[in-house]
Amino acid sequence: QVQLVQSGAEVKKPGASVRVSCKTSGYSFSDYSLLWVRQAPGQGPEWMASINPNTGGVNYAQKFQGRVTVTRDTSISTSYLELSSLRSGDTAVYYCARILFYFETGGDAFDVWGQGTMVTVSS
Amino acid sequence: QAVLTQPPSVSGAPGQTVTLSCTGNRSNIGAPYDVNWYQQLPGTAPKLLIYGNTNRPSGVPDRMSGSKSDTSASLAITGLQAEDEADYYCQSYDSSLSGYVFGGGTKVFVL
Repeated sequence: QVQLVQSGAEVKKPGASVRVSCKTSGYSFSDYSLLWVRQAPGQGPEWMASINPNTGGVNYAQKFQGRVTVTRDTSISTSYLELSSLRSGDTAVYYCARILFYFETGGDAFDVWGQGTMVTVSS
Repeated sequence: QAVLTQPPSVSGAPGQTVTLSCTGNRSNIGAPYDVNWYQQLPGTAPKLLIYGNTNRPSGVPDRMSGSKSDTSASLAITGLQAEDEADYYCQSYDSSLSGYVFGGGTKVFVL
């Protein structure tokens, strides 16, 4: 079955960087784009970036431009999110999700999600 | 501040119908871009509930239904059950932001 498995929880100090991984299985990695979102406590998800694993092309949310880098390693079907210059407001659960294009509607949605990775930024 | 606006909470008794609203603007829902809905149980990742405004993925009960009109969308849950108590998020695409946007979420309480 399709699975996205993320790396474990992280605790970082302000100013540090964090890298979260998202290992996929059960489908052809290059055939579907991946999404990264974060969810702060008590809030809705917030889109950060999307990556096309086939080309490596990435779209970043303007809010995170210059501070976030998303990459992929096709040999191990894994995507990575790196967030730098961490501050307390970055404390959140970070999710990856598969973007599925629906031909019948011409739109897309996020059909399979990772389990989430808690990132805590604290001095 | 979420781009799409949702009421913080709604409640209903078992068996009743609740309707959740999601309001956007001409850059997203009214553009028109599709609206998707996600259900999130406590401590878990969101789960796709409705895609393309009205469509249910396999396995989602037909008690869940979506609709869209102009710059708003709605999710109706009929025959409310205890297991429906969760957070629900709407999601679309925004042309002015060139990216995906979410609502702040609605918590459904089953009385």
